[in-house]
Amino acid sequence: AQSVTQLGSHVSVSEGALVLLRCNYSSSVPPYLFWYVQYPNQGLQLLLKYTSAATLVKGINGFEAEFKKSETSFHLTKPSAHMSDAAEYFCAVSGASGTYKYIFGTGTRLKVLA
Amino acid sequence: GAGVSQSPSNKVTEKGKDVELRCDPISGHTALYWYRQRLGQGLEFLIYFQGNSAPDKSGLPSDRFSAERTGESVSTLTIQRTQQEDSAVYLCASSLDPSGYNEQFFGPGTRLTVL
Repeated sequence: AQSVTQLGSHVSVSEGALVLLRCNYSSSVPPYLFWYVQYPNQGLQLLLKYTSAATLVKGINGFEAEFKKSETSFHLTKPSAHMSDAAEYFCAVSGASGTYKYIFGTGTRLKVLA
Repeated sequence: GAGVSQSPSNKVTEKGKDVELRCDPISGHTALYWYRQRLGQGLEFLIYFQGNSAPDKSGLPSDRFSAERTGESVSTLTIQRTQQEDSAVYLCASSLDPSGYNEQFFGPGTRLTVL
């Protein structure tokens, strides 16, 4: 069975500060991992994905995430927060072929303070 | 179209009425998913379609919920005898195939309010 845990339903950072959003997963098969962002009143948009190539994955808008198998983590980071980063972020896991279900975390709402 | 579209964008209905929500996936995408997102919560899987295969309905919360998809085109989610707890944003997503490798592309959602 697969599951995703996002620690912290709300995270606040100052503009220009490091953004760190945590995601831990459990999976009995090598996972594919995704981070999605949801801006107010919009659908989800893919930020980045891990599919067993490089463990450090770079995405859009300066975000990146590192797959750490030993820690079963896929935390999302950005060196310097921008006001436009304020949104809700979802981590998701899917399994290897044959497992079409995506399991989403409960989301982390990021607030950026001026 | 370039992305997944959903209609209507907003729907307000009275308790007990039926509603129908529509999703137009990206052309060529064989997999289609419906999710429910209650206020302040994550995505709750409802149903999955893949081509002409039998859909996975394991996430539908009650027999008041049903969905259809014709081939690899439009899907409709129907909620009969709506209840106030059905109020949520209903998101549709499509992906190129169900391998788990390809990301899902989401529509903007339909916000359903049941009075």
